[in-house]
Amino acid sequence: DAGVIQSPRHEVTEMGQEVTLRCKPISGHNSLFWYRQTMMRGLELLIYFNNNVPIDDSGMPEDRFSAKMPNASFSTLKIQPSEPRDSAVYFCASSSDRSGSPLHFGNGTRLTVT
Amino acid sequence: AQSVTQLDSQVPVFEEAPVELRCNYSSSVSVYLFWYVQYPNQGLQLLLKYLSGSTLVKGINGFEAEFNKSQTSFHLRKPSVHISDTAEYFCAVSDRSQFYFGTGTSLTVIP
Repeated sequence: DAGVIQSPRHEVTEMGQEVTLRCKPISGHNSLFWYRQTMMRGLELLIYFNNNVPIDDSGMPEDRFSAKMPNASFSTLKIQPSEPRDSAVYFCASSSDRSGSPLHFGNGTRLTVT
Repeated sequence: AQSVTQLDSQVPVFEEAPVELRCNYSSSVSVYLFWYVQYPNQGLQLLLKYLSGSTLVKGINGFEAEFNKSQTSFHLRKPSVHISDTAEYFCAVSDRSQFYFGTGTSLTVIP
């Protein structure tokens, strides 16, 4: 299994630009999670989906952030417009609905907004 | 709601010495427990998990953890650490829908 695949690995953009992060979960996993990691705030849950439906988006910082999961094998996290304080590593993770199934993480996207 | 506390933000330890990373949780329901490791510039990798049964769980890289229900703890241990164990370690609990992570413990192995 290829694991959770995220792209790009690194993204450098200027303030005000739109940024789109992509994630392909492990095949057969029903749940998908987006996390943000910074030195100051640690690992924060932004949103999670179950069977492609957003279940909890209370962690999304503000309206500039949006996430979609159009099908079981693809999700995007979009920031528009981006700001320097959005600089962080963004992780996607997936898990199955089987009881006790752990989270499987991608390698993350390191976003730098200048 | 569930919460996870990792009291030690940084743990320095000499190579080949034993180490224990502490994790306590609070939950009103039964949970599953996990330890993850994060190496620099990588995602989190599963070290071990407790679902049920024996309270002593063995994971990868020689790590083990013990579930203590009365103390609501799930401490991670290794009898002899290596330089390569230098990393960030996260404790997590799952209530079957969401995952809750601690703030992490940075383990530094000193040669």
